[in-house]
Amino acid sequence: KAGVTQTPRYLIKTRGQQVTLSCSPISGHRSVSWYQQTPGQGLQFLFEYFSETQRNKGNFPGRFSGRQFSNSRSEMNVSTLELGDSALYLCASSAAGLAEETQYFGPGTRLLVL
Amino acid sequence: KQEVTQIPAALSVPEGENLVLNCSFTDSAIYNLQWFRQDPGKGLTSLLLIQSSQREQTSGRLNASLDKSSGRSTLYIAASQPGDSATYLCAVGGYGGSQGNLIFGKGTKLSVKP
Repeated sequence: KAGVTQTPRYLIKTRGQQVTLSCSPISGHRSVSWYQQTPGQGLQFLFEYFSETQRNKGNFPGRFSGRQFSNSRSEMNVSTLELGDSALYLCASSAAGLAEETQYFGPGTRLLVL
Repeated sequence: KQEVTQIPAALSVPEGENLVLNCSFTDSAIYNLQWFRQDPGKGLTSLLLIQSSQREQTSGRLNASLDKSSGRSTLYIAASQPGDSATYLCAVGGYGGSQGNLIFGKGTKLSVKP
């Protein structure tokens, strides 16, 4: 079974631009979560989607948004990029998003904002 | 607010040594605790998942324990190998009944010297 895939793997943007990242979960998984990883803050939860609905949201500004499609693929968007948005963005999938399930992570998208 | 702490932040050991990584959390209202490893520039690989009703889980040379009452978990690695060099992260899941939301520690960077 193929793992979680994320595209693109690397991105360079400038301040003020917007960016869209994509995540394809493991086949059959319906829950997708997004995390931001930075050296200073570590891994922080952004949001979780299940069956095209946002179920949980972390403490990030409204510039960070996401969506999920009917095939469970998910995208996250960051508008008006700031230097501090430079990070590794990870997505994770699980079968039903239940708290007792293992989450499987993708390789991440590394975003650099100049 | 749930906080997850990992000590030490970095650890260097000679090959063959048995070692213990520590993880503590401030609120025992969790559904599970998960240990991950992360190789440089890569995503996370799930190692072990311990449900809140369990005390430990084992996989090969790895053994993880959970003591909810004291807010602690340990990851024991037997007969360490250079290939074990990575950053090890623990995460608690289901805090406050929230699904799909992992709260991470900042990790222990392990280096196993040949």
